[in-house]
Amino acid sequence: AQSVAQPEDQVNVAEGNPLTVKCTYSVSGNPYLFWYVQYPNRGLQFLLKYITGDNLVKGSYGFEAEFNKSQTSFHLKKPSALVSDSALYFCAVRDLDRGSTLGRLYFGRGTQLTVWP
Amino acid sequence: GAVVSQHPSRVICKSGTSVKIECRSLDFQATTMFWYRQFPKQSLMLMATSNEGSKATYEQGVEKDKFLINHASLTLSTLTVASAHPEDSSFYICSARLALADTQYFGPGTRLTVL
Repeated sequence: AQSVAQPEDQVNVAEGNPLTVKCTYSVSGNPYLFWYVQYPNRGLQFLLKYITGDNLVKGSYGFEAEFNKSQTSFHLKKPSALVSDSALYFCAVRDLDRGSTLGRLYFGRGTQLTVWP
Repeated sequence: GAVVSQHPSRVICKSGTSVKIECRSLDFQATTMFWYRQFPKQSLMLMATSNEGSKATYEQGVEKDKFLINHASLTLSTLTVASAHPEDSSFYICSARLALADTQYFGPGTRLTVL
């Protein structure tokens, strides 16, 4: 079965500093990994994904994530945080099993990022 | 591209009434749509997966007679909460995916409050 873990409920960082939101995964086979962001009372917005290819994936709003197979990690990063980046971030892995639930996502529990001025 | 809408965004109803939530893919055809439920400060809980033209697949513990899902076209899926009760109050989010595509795109969510 596929699963992801986000070990931190909360990450706090000062504006302008680099940020990292951690995610580790457990899959059978090659992982399809995703990051989504959720603002209050809104749906999830797609940030980036890793399917294959370069381990460093660049996404929306200046975010990037590094796929590390040996550490089974897919941490989200940004070189310089903005106050507007404050939101709830979800890591997810896609189910690759056959069947009618093909393509379902397994989400981590989410990490609340707070960037203070 | 890849825009998913939900309607209504917010609904307040009395206990015992049924509530229908629509999920539409506006600029692509979604062969698969997913319905999630999210409690405050928690992750998304997948309720069911629906493929266009076939019956939805419900996750364990989700009552199919309570949460009725219809995916009649490639751009529309509906979730009907039958005889809603206060414990059904939650944030409901749908997502849609193209056939063979990797990414799910999410709607903005519907806040249901049952009095």
